[in-house]
Amino acid sequence: AQTVTQSQPEMSVQEAETVTLSCTYDTSESDYYLFWYKQPPSRQMILVIRQEAYKQQNATENRFSVNFQKAAKSFSLKISDSQLGDAAMYFCAYGAIYNQGGKLIFGQGTELSVKP
Amino acid sequence: GAVVSQHPSRVICKSGTSVKIECRSLDFQATTMFWYRQFPKQSLMLMATSNEGSKATYEQGVEKDKFLINHASLTLSTLTVTSAHPEDSSFYICSARERSRFSNQPQHFGDGTRLSIL
Repeated sequence: AQTVTQSQPEMSVQEAETVTLSCTYDTSESDYYLFWYKQPPSRQMILVIRQEAYKQQNATENRFSVNFQKAAKSFSLKISDSQLGDAAMYFCAYGAIYNQGGKLIFGQGTELSVKP
Repeated sequence: GAVVSQHPSRVICKSGTSVKIECRSLDFQATTMFWYRQFPKQSLMLMATSNEGSKATYEQGVEKDKFLINHASLTLSTLTVTSAHPEDSSFYICSARERSRFSNQPQHFGDGTRLSIL
């Protein structure tokens, strides 16, 4: 069975600085998707970034980028120029392409606080 | 962008009451919808996968008779918590996956329902 692990329950960053959130996963599949979701205090789940496993190039969305290391099964999220609005719970998620019915497996989450 | 509407956002009711939560995809067709439960400061726990026109697939440990799921159309899935008790109090979130021949469609989430059973 696939698992997703986020080993940092809490992280803190100074405004305008850069922070990296860690995520590792375990799977025997070769093709899959990885996601980072943000959940602010409103509890709305917001898709931050998505990575297809077959793509070697790391995904980037404005200030958000990932470091995808397929062999190491690592998928970290880097937030550059951190803003107060980035404060939230961040979840790493794994999505199978085949079987599993398209369901996502979430990590435990990392609570990010941004200091002004 | 794809919008998922979840209603109601907040429910407070007495023990023994059955509560229905609706999840609607507003601008796309969703063959698959997912129901999650989330406790404070914890991750999302998948309860069941709902497929249009067929029975839901429940995760291990989730009581089918307790959490009734119906996915009658391509835009609506409902979760009914039957005879709710205080231990059922939680935050319930639905998500919908857009109908597509591509397998890389992300899930779009509703805003969640905070259920409190007194």
